[in-house]
Amino acid sequence: DTEVTQTPKHLVMGMTNKKSLKCEQHMGHRAMYWYKQKAKKPPELMFVYSYEKLSINESVPSRFSPECPNSSLLNLHLHALQPEDSALYLCASSHQTGNTGELFFGEGSRLTVL
Amino acid sequence: EDQVTQSPEALRLQEGESSSLNCSYTVSGLRGLFWYRQDPGKGPEFLFTLYSAGEEKEKERLKATLTKKESFLHITAPKPEDSATYLCAVLITDSWGKFQFGAGTQVVVTP
Repeated sequence: DTEVTQTPKHLVMGMTNKKSLKCEQHMGHRAMYWYKQKAKKPPELMFVYSYEKLSINESVPSRFSPECPNSSLLNLHLHALQPEDSALYLCASSHQTGNTGELFFGEGSRLTVL
Repeated sequence: EDQVTQSPEALRLQEGESSSLNCSYTVSGLRGLFWYRQDPGKGPEFLFTLYSAGEEKEKERLKATLTKKESFLHITAPKPEDSATYLCAVLITDSWGKFQFGAGTQVVVTP
């Protein structure tokens, strides 16, 4: 069982909706990540939080807004998305950035934008 | 430019037929190389971390090795439950959290 929990597992939203994806880890990790994965493609990095501060934003459109309320929680707020944003959104954590530590992924949230 | 290439793209094996997957990399400095297994519609599951050339790690039917240019994931006597996509990722020195993933190898093991 993964120790990174993502909710919801599935989300369908219209282009005018506002929704949020949530991620929680209790491994004491200080780095948390959002990745986007399209079918048959590798995960693409979106954001990295290190010690609850945004350290990397891979030029992600502003319709995706990350938030890290505390060291265990990571949110991704979604607004005015496009159909091409439909994908599997993966949350991951690691002991800390810049380290050799591996990523631990959640099961993902499957997003469909109509 | 940093690059991670996996081959083959897809691999179909009979149960018990051993094989190897390749992950070749060209990076400015390697901090670590990671292997993951991903089942359809699920998040990647961590398998191994390799840090330096000559290192080997084993887990059940899987064995990962590392040289200065590539890593191999050997699958010995695979079973149908080993069917998955296997991803390798590298963490580059001074990349501060940017893991670069290969495109993956999709493995299907038939009974």
